[in-house]
Amino acid sequence: QSVLTQPPSVSGAPGQRVTISCTGSSSNIGAGYDVHWYQQLPGTAPKLLIYGNSNRPSGVSDRFSGSKSGTSASLAITGLQAEDEADYYCQSYDSSLSAPYVFGTGTKVTVL
Amino acid sequence: EVQLVESGGGLVQPGGSLRLSCAASGFTFSSYEMNWVRQAPGKGLEWVSYISSSDGTIYYADSVKGRFTISRDNAKNSLYLQMNSLRAEDTAVYYCAREGNVWTTFDLWGQGTLVTVSS
Repeated sequence: QSVLTQPPSVSGAPGQRVTISCTGSSSNIGAGYDVHWYQQLPGTAPKLLIYGNSNRPSGVSDRFSGSKSGTSASLAITGLQAEDEADYYCQSYDSSLSAPYVFGTGTKVTVL
Repeated sequence: EVQLVESGGGLVQPGGSLRLSCAASGFTFSSYEMNWVRQAPGKGLEWVSYISSSDGTIYYADSVKGRFTISRDNAKNSLYLQMNSLRAEDTAVYYCAREGNVWTTFDLWGQGTLVTVSS
């Protein structure tokens, strides 16, 4: 089961800013482990979007940004575009489980 | 081109076995830790298994421990997942994913292969 909690869905009009939260605990995000974010377009494999809490891989638009505080992290999308409609997942490391890598529950972003 | 290509998925009966393969190209496969991640139909991502680049360290999710075996052949640039005693709840798209230079980051994913467990 997922130990990182995300809202099931967020939506916004083109051009707006939306944020996705990722809530963990003291054994993962709160323990200081990095949070990474993935974008999964319909029918495709996930793609790394943000790594190390706030870093963008080469080629990722600067409309995407990440942050982390305490036991939570956030992904922000500014200037929302139709092509941003996708599922987004956070991911971190967890020291308390036998499964060291944990994903968030996932958030569907809808562009109105 | 840097890529991962999975194969070996298909329809299998409950209790059956299947072996997935992941062929790597365009990078030095032996230098990277590798993982399997799965996604049940309409559901989220679930990490399945990890294998280190060379020292033999292996981890499994509790849901597959004792039934699945991860392995790699660095000479063939290939990653494998042997799946035994398959259950309906193992039905999913299975992705191989490379762990990037930033620890715990999955920076390269394959296109996935669908495993369906059904009678």
